[in-house]
Amino acid sequence: KQEVTQIPAALSVPEGENLVLNCSFTDSAIYNLQWFRQDPGKGLTSLLLIQSSQREQTSGRLNASLDKSSGRSTLYIAASQPGDSATYLCAVEGLTGGGNKLTFGTGTQLKVEL
Amino acid sequence: DAGVIQSPRHEVTEMGQEVTLRCKPISGHNSLFWYRQTMMRGLELLIYFNNNVPIDDSGMPEDRFSAKMPNASFSTLKIQPSEPRDSAVYFCASSFRSNQPQHFGDGTRLSIL
Repeated sequence: KQEVTQIPAALSVPEGENLVLNCSFTDSAIYNLQWFRQDPGKGLTSLLLIQSSQREQTSGRLNASLDKSSGRSTLYIAASQPGDSATYLCAVEGLTGGGNKLTFGTGTQLKVEL
Repeated sequence: DAGVIQSPRHEVTEMGQEVTLRCKPISGHNSLFWYRQTMMRGLELLIYFNNNVPIDDSGMPEDRFSAKMPNASFSTLKIQPSEPRDSAVYFCASSFRSNQPQHFGDGTRLSIL
């Protein structure tokens, strides 16, 4: 059974700092790994999707890497801003049953302070 | 472009009552997912549909839970009878197909008293 772990559970940084969020998974048989953002009282917003054959994806100040063999992914946020404050979740889409099934980590709650 | 639409946003009801949650996926998306989020267990997949057909319902906790997708633009998740431990935020999501980003609605916050 796939298990996804995120470290740290919570993180508080001053504005402008670069930061890294970590995600690990136990089963490397995946289609992709996805990073989401969740704001309080809202649903999840997809940030980045890395295919299993890819090493990284970039969108603006966000960069996500994937090392499938070691079961690890990182989300790098450059020059953090207060608007980045949210919970960040990673999820892996397994190969079993033709895909579609996401297993989520428990998230990292990020606070960027002025 | 409208995203995934869920209703109601909030539901408070008494134990034993029937609860129906509704979801309208993004037009053109072929896959629909129902999730439950709690502090204790995080985000869990309950059931998902491909082309209106239920594919995997192994996450449905008990027979009290049922889900339907009568057409490509509408799905329901029903709990009957409801219990206090069903209190959670229920999310619906849709995607074009597998290996594509899932788009989430804003959720239904359910409280069973």
